[in-house]
Amino acid sequence: AQKVTQAQTEISVVEKEDVTLDCVYETRDTTYYLFWYKQPPSGELVFLIRRNSFDEQNEISGRYSWNFQKSTSSFNFTITASQVVDSAVYFCALSEDDGTDKLIFGTGTRLQVFP
Amino acid sequence: DAGVTQSPTHLIKTRGQQVTLRCSPKSGHDTVSWYQQALGQGPQFIFQYYEEEERQRGNFPDRFSGHQFPNYSSELNVNALLLGDSALYLCASSFGRSGANVLTFGAGSRLTVL
Repeated sequence: AQKVTQAQTEISVVEKEDVTLDCVYETRDTTYYLFWYKQPPSGELVFLIRRNSFDEQNEISGRYSWNFQKSTSSFNFTITASQVVDSAVYFCALSEDDGTDKLIFGTGTRLQVFP
Repeated sequence: DAGVTQSPTHLIKTRGQQVTLRCSPKSGHDTVSWYQQALGQGPQFIFQYYEEEERQRGNFPDRFSGHQFPNYSSELNVNALLLGDSALYLCASSFGRSGANVLTFGAGSRLTVL
């Protein structure tokens, strides 16, 4: 069965601190895709990154970086030098290669960045 | 370039009533999916429409039904509303159907059932 677990319900940091959001997934497929989405108070889910199961190369994009490890089924997301505008709920999601683009979401991590 | 638009943004219904939510996909997209997001939870997949047919369905009762029109827009209907149907309903669009697709989400319709 497919499952995404985000064990951190809420994280609070002070501006300029680094913060890592954890994501653990379960799937029996060998081909799958992992995503991170951000949900600000407006409600709209904003796409951040996609990784496929064959690409374990970690990525840095500005203040964002991602650590994908198949051996531990983890896909963690780090924000460096956090800012107040980073405050939002962050969702990790899984999609399998089954001919649809159905997403299985975790329960989300609420990040609060205080000035 | 307009993204995904949903209407209405907020609505209040009472138990037993019926509701229709509407979604216009992003320009160029032909696939529409609906998700239900209860307070404090992640979105849950309801169903997906492609070529005007329901292609896949999540674990939701038949009270939840939908439709896709020739212009790719979509409606979500919920009959016999229950208190537990109170949630944010998100519409997402994409082109084709592939696990690699990046979905574009709308801002949602917040339904409150009293």
